[in-house]
Amino acid sequence: GAVVSQHPSRVICKSGTSVKIECRSLDFQATTMFWYRQFPKQSLMLMATSNEGSKATYEQGVEKDKFLINHASLTLSTLTVTSAHPEDSSFYICSARVASGIVGNEQFFGPGTRLTVL
Amino acid sequence: QKEVEQNSGPLSVPEGAIASLNCTYSDRGSQSFFWYRQYSGKSPELIMSIYSNGDKEDGRFTAQLNKASQYVSLLIRDSQPSDSATYLCAVKGGGGSNYKLTFGKGTLLTVNP
Repeated sequence: GAVVSQHPSRVICKSGTSVKIECRSLDFQATTMFWYRQFPKQSLMLMATSNEGSKATYEQGVEKDKFLINHASLTLSTLTVTSAHPEDSSFYICSARVASGIVGNEQFFGPGTRLTVL
Repeated sequence: QKEVEQNSGPLSVPEGAIASLNCTYSDRGSQSFFWYRQYSGKSPELIMSIYSNGDKEDGRFTAQLNKASQYVSLLIRDSQPSDSATYLCAVKGGGGSNYKLTFGKGTLLTVNP
């Protein structure tokens, strides 16, 4: 149980284009999903918290107009990197919080999406 | 600002030994503590969660929490080469309802055959 998927796993795009990343909770409902970014040899940095049916809460320094988040259902959140630039190249990872049940408050991570902007 | 500190390592242990990973946190109101394992190029995988003082054991893994000292550790018994990875300590703050986790920078563990 508590499986989170992400799509695509890897994407290469040209500078200036937009890229959409999907995060799905496969076997549970996730009222809260989180989006992280991880640069090489760095830890995970939280970008935003996504709650189903409401606007995402962005961390300080994260441009909400550049990183668009939509959490349209209890099993799907999307992150769109708009007008991507090479400095946006990173490993983007989503996680979902199990809202109820035995597991409790743990966050489970998707497999990540490696974005390379040329 | 909430901080989670870990030794970056690398920590190198021989196969079969006990690996000890340590973590300290700054927010005294923190309530939930997690250890994640991350292989190179992969996303983190939850290994242990601990919420109250003392020890919690799961197979070869033991998490230890001391809230008075603001310290949490992970022991890996009978270390295997497959345990070689970066171990991330994560802490959930005591306040708010958004369940944000603060991660340490991770400790790189190498288990030598």
